[in-house]
Amino acid sequence: EPEVTQTPSHQVTQMGQEVILRCVPISNHLYFYWYRQILGQKVEFLVSFYNNEISEKSEIFDDQFSVERPDGSNFTLKIRSTKLEDSAMYFCASSETRAGYTFGSGTRLTVV
Amino acid sequence: AQRVTQPEKLLSVFKGAPVELKCNYSYSGSPELFWYVQYSRQRLQLLLRHISRESIKGFTADLNKGETSFHLKKPFAQEEDSAMYYCALSQGAQKLVFGQGTRLTINP
Repeated sequence: EPEVTQTPSHQVTQMGQEVILRCVPISNHLYFYWYRQILGQKVEFLVSFYNNEISEKSEIFDDQFSVERPDGSNFTLKIRSTKLEDSAMYFCASSETRAGYTFGSGTRLTVV
Repeated sequence: AQRVTQPEKLLSVFKGAPVELKCNYSYSGSPELFWYVQYSRQRLQLLLRHISRESIKGFTADLNKGETSFHLKKPFAQEEDSAMYYCALSQGAQKLVFGQGTRLTINP
């Protein structure tokens, strides 16, 4: 069964540093997403991406965040200057229209 | 505003007992409702969605538009059902709005 792959599985970074979280969506999917889950809280939508541009973003997704699809397979989330409150599990997902999402296994980001 | 409410953070039942995980939603249009499951240290997996009306691993969920609910049910719980369960709402291939999740524990 096709999978969404995320790397790394765990990233530790110092406050103020830039991090890039990587995702390889399912190859024939057209919609890509990032979600995050702060420990003990609900899964929250960050951003959706379609046709090489952001289609929707939440209020969490401020200027510190950016997404990119640098080539035909990768989908990245960059946090420019990490804060302690960015510590969370970050999930990438991809979907076909109305077919349900497939999530990656997540990247645990720890900001120290 | 779209909102999904799962009133129970924790639910514990004995093996073989019926299970019902509650989910209520608020949405002004025609939503798509999903249940996702997250087993220990694993990824979020789609369990079922209301448009397919299927039963996965013995679980079913019926969309009740009058009560704006999408409760997840299983007649006989098994130990391997222990996991986090998330109800979610979407419109088309747009963002998912998740509930807080319910941690289901099946006692032997």
